[in-house]
Amino acid sequence: AQSVAQPEDQVNVAEGNPLTVKCTYSVSGNPYLFWYVQYPNRGLQFLLKYITGDNLVKGSYGFEAEFNKSQTSFHLKKPSALVSDSALYFCAVSEGVSGGYQKVTFGTGTKLQVIP
Amino acid sequence: DAGVIQSPRHEVTEMGQEVTLRCKPISGHDYLFWYRQTMMRGLELLIYFNNNVPIDDSGMPEDRFSAKMPNASFSTLKIQPSEPRDSAVYFCASSFWENTGELFFGEGSRLTVL
Repeated sequence: AQSVAQPEDQVNVAEGNPLTVKCTYSVSGNPYLFWYVQYPNRGLQFLLKYITGDNLVKGSYGFEAEFNKSQTSFHLKKPSALVSDSALYFCAVSEGVSGGYQKVTFGTGTKLQVIP
Repeated sequence: DAGVIQSPRHEVTEMGQEVTLRCKPISGHDYLFWYRQTMMRGLELLIYFNNNVPIDDSGMPEDRFSAKMPNASFSTLKIQPSEPRDSAVYFCASSFWENTGELFFGEGSRLTVL
């Protein structure tokens, strides 16, 4: 069975500092990996995904994530945090096979707090 | 496109009442998902449809829950009778999976059962 672990319930970072939100995954085949962000009282919004190719994926709002196959990780990063980045971040994994949708498993979420 | 549209945004009801949540997916998307989010259990997939056909309803908690998708532009999630433990935020999401591999979420319906 596939799974996602987000080891930190909350990450605090000062505005302007780099941020990292951690994610590790387990899946039997090749992974499709995703990051979503949820602002208060809103639905989840897609940030970025890794399907294949370059291990460094760039997404919305200046975020990027690095796929590391040997460590089964897909950490979310941003060089300089903004107060407006404060939100709940979800990592998700799906088994990457052709032929249609494969179930997406979401992590428990990490609350990012950017301190002014 | 307006995105995934859910109604109502907020619903407060009493135990035993029927609750119907509605969703309009993004036009052209062939998958539709219903999720439930709670503090205790996080984000749970309840059921998903492909081309209006229910594919996997293993996440539906009980027979009190039912979902339909009568056409490509409309889906409902019904709870009858509702119980306090059903209080949660219910999200609808749609996807054109083969093309993008992304889920597009609605703003959610916050249900409170008293």
